[in-house]
Amino acid sequence: GAGVSQTPSNKVTEKGKYVELRCDPISGHTALYWYRQSLGQGPEFLIYFQGTGAADDSGLPNDRFFAVRPEGSVSTLKIQRTERGDSAVYLCASSEAGGSYNEQFFGPGTRLTVL
Amino acid sequence: AQSVTQLDSQVPVFEEAPVELRCNYSSSVSVYLFWYVQYPNQGLQLLLKYLSGSTLVESINGFEAEFNKSQTSFHLRKPSVHISDTAEYFCAVSSRGSEKLVFGKGTKLTVNP
Repeated sequence: GAGVSQTPSNKVTEKGKYVELRCDPISGHTALYWYRQSLGQGPEFLIYFQGTGAADDSGLPNDRFFAVRPEGSVSTLKIQRTERGDSAVYLCASSEAGGSYNEQFFGPGTRLTVL
Repeated sequence: AQSVTQLDSQVPVFEEAPVELRCNYSSSVSVYLFWYVQYPNQGLQLLLKYLSGSTLVESINGFEAEFNKSQTSFHLRKPSVHISDTAEYFCAVSSRGSEKLVFGKGTKLTVNP
C-alpha cells in the first residue's frame, strides 16, 4: 500500500514569507507526527496528533509554527514569517494507533530553504 | 529529559568486515529503543526495536542490537556487512506515556569494496 507522502518535496522561500507543508499519512493511521531535521542532526520532534487533536505540541519552537489535522487524516504544517534558521528537512510520520512502542512510518520529507 | 548519543558520526568499513555502531541514551524512566536506517535518497525506515523481554533483538537483514540497562547502551552490530548496508543509521528512544521519539545525530556507515 501507499506510504506516507509529503508535498512539496522541495520548497524555497524568502525570509519573512509564509509556507505550508502537507503530509498524507498511511490510510487508517490515527497518529501523525512532525519532526524537523537540520543539517548534520537527527530528527527533532515538533508535534503529535491523535485523530484531529494535537496531543503534544511541546516541540514547536515558537508561535510562528502551527499545525492542523482537521479531518484526522491529512496534516498541514504552517510556518509564518520564515527565518533562515527554519531551513531544514521537515519529516512527517504516522503510526497505526499511537503509543510510544509502535513503529512510526516516515515520509520522504520536505526540504525547506529560506533565503 | 531523554537524550541519545551516537559517538561516531562516520564509520567506514570494508565489505564483509564486522561493524558496531554505538548508541548510548539517558533517561530517568523505562525506555523503548529503536534503530532507524536511511538509505541514500530514501526516507527513514525502522530497522529493529527493543520494547521488553529478550535484550537481544535482530533485524531481517542480519543486524542485531543488545539492550544493556546498566550501561544505558543499545549498540548495533553486524558480523559481515555488504555494500548495500551503506546508509545513515539513527538510534532513537521513547518512553511510556510520551509519544515522541528522541533521535541521536546519526552515524553514516560507508561500506567499501
